[in-house]
Amino acid sequence: NAGVTQTPKFQVLKTGQSMTLQCAQDMNHNSMYWYRQDPGMGLRLIYYSASEGTTDKGEVPNGYNVSRLNKREFSLRLESAAPSQTSVYFCASNFPPGGEPSFGPGTRLLVL
Amino acid sequence: DQQVKQNSPSLSVQEGRISILNCDYTNSMFDYFLWYKKYPAEGPTFLISISSIKDKNEDGRFTVFLNKSAKHLSLHIVPSQPGDSAVYFCAARGYNFNKFYFGSGTKLNVKP
Repeated sequence: NAGVTQTPKFQVLKTGQSMTLQCAQDMNHNSMYWYRQDPGMGLRLIYYSASEGTTDKGEVPNGYNVSRLNKREFSLRLESAAPSQTSVYFCASNFPPGGEPSFGPGTRLLVL
Repeated sequence: DQQVKQNSPSLSVQEGRISILNCDYTNSMFDYFLWYKKYPAEGPTFLISISSIKDKNEDGRFTVFLNKSAKHLSLHIVPSQPGDSAVYFCAARGYNFNKFYFGSGTKLNVKP
């Protein structure tokens, strides 16, 4: 099992550009999450999907959109990137109700 | 405002001694608490958890203590090993089983 995989590993964007971060899991988990990690702030929840077909906002959703494409895949889209979105993005998944999330390796994003 | 706080950004311990990492939370509705370990350029990996109905949980060298009245949990590592050097995040699960709130992390350095 690959667990949770994320692409790309690293990306540089210019302000105003758009991009989609991809995430897939092969553990048959129902719930999936997107977090961002910033120095001194820990991991903050951007969006989550409790099950296929549903998505909900987390703590810091502004500037992002998500798509739960199917049970395996959960993508995060930045429509118009801003320097404040420079961060490391982690995707995670788990079994409900509330089992410990398993994390992917992360995508490091730099917005210039 | 952060609901889970780790007030020590870093901790340095000698190999073989005890490492104690602390975490405070503000929401009395949290019912499940977790510790994650994170190496550079990797995703967080689950370490140990504790339910709010318990006050202690052990797994090998790792023990988590929960003091509900103080809204405080701690992770003890005994004995500490150089391979334990990493960033440790504590997390709490909200009443909505799909939301996990993370602290800002404590960087542990175990000196040989």
